[in-house]
Amino acid sequence: EVQLVESGGGLVQPGGSVRLSCAVSGFTFSNHWMSWVRQAPGKGLEWVANINQRTTSRDYVDSVKGRFTISRDNAKNSLFLQMNNLRAEDTAVYYCARTAENTRGLDYWGQGTLVTVSS
Amino acid sequence: IQMTQSPSFVSASVGDRVTITCRASHNINNWLAWYQHKPGKAPQLLISAAYILQSGVPSRFSGSGSGTDFTLTISSLQPEDSATYYCQQANYSPDTFGGGTKVEIK
Repeated sequence: EVQLVESGGGLVQPGGSVRLSCAVSGFTFSNHWMSWVRQAPGKGLEWVANINQRTTSRDYVDSVKGRFTISRDNAKNSLFLQMNNLRAEDTAVYYCARTAENTRGLDYWGQGTLVTVSS
Repeated sequence: IQMTQSPSFVSASVGDRVTITCRASHNINNWLAWYQHKPGKAPQLLISAAYILQSGVPSRFSGSGSGTDFTLTISSLQPEDSATYYCQQANYSPDTFGGGTKVEIK
């Protein structure tokens, strides 16, 4: 059974940092692109970042470039999102998601972890 | 790439046919996915590559379109289809989602 489990969310002050983790199981992690997607309260889904299988390609939505870093550890079946210089508008539920090998759809998602940026 | 979804809200009865459209600002070569999202749950992939139905998704869901204009159709609306639906393009980086369509059951 494919599983993705996020952790690391919580309350953080503006300007602070947090590192999200996504532990995966049930599939060959190193075969797949992976993404982070977020949903701010009362808003729609927003794609945040993705990373290819060997970490040779990473991309970010403009609003997080220079502040967030996506990474992965294929040996530990884990995906990460390092979030620095956080702003109130980064408050959201953050989901990790797997990209299907042939269709580019995000075919498996975690349940999400809430990050709240507030003083 | 901008993804424009319409309508933003639809209220329909059980058994109705519901159509949601998504327009891309540029040709996205059919790299278009549709998701269903219910409150408190993870989004679910319904359709990928414009028309490929994901395993386990009911056949009342279908996708069509090409280039810049795409459609998600629910052929006979069921109570469990109450949710927000999103399109997503994956042709250009960064990926982008449409604004969402909330489907309400009358």
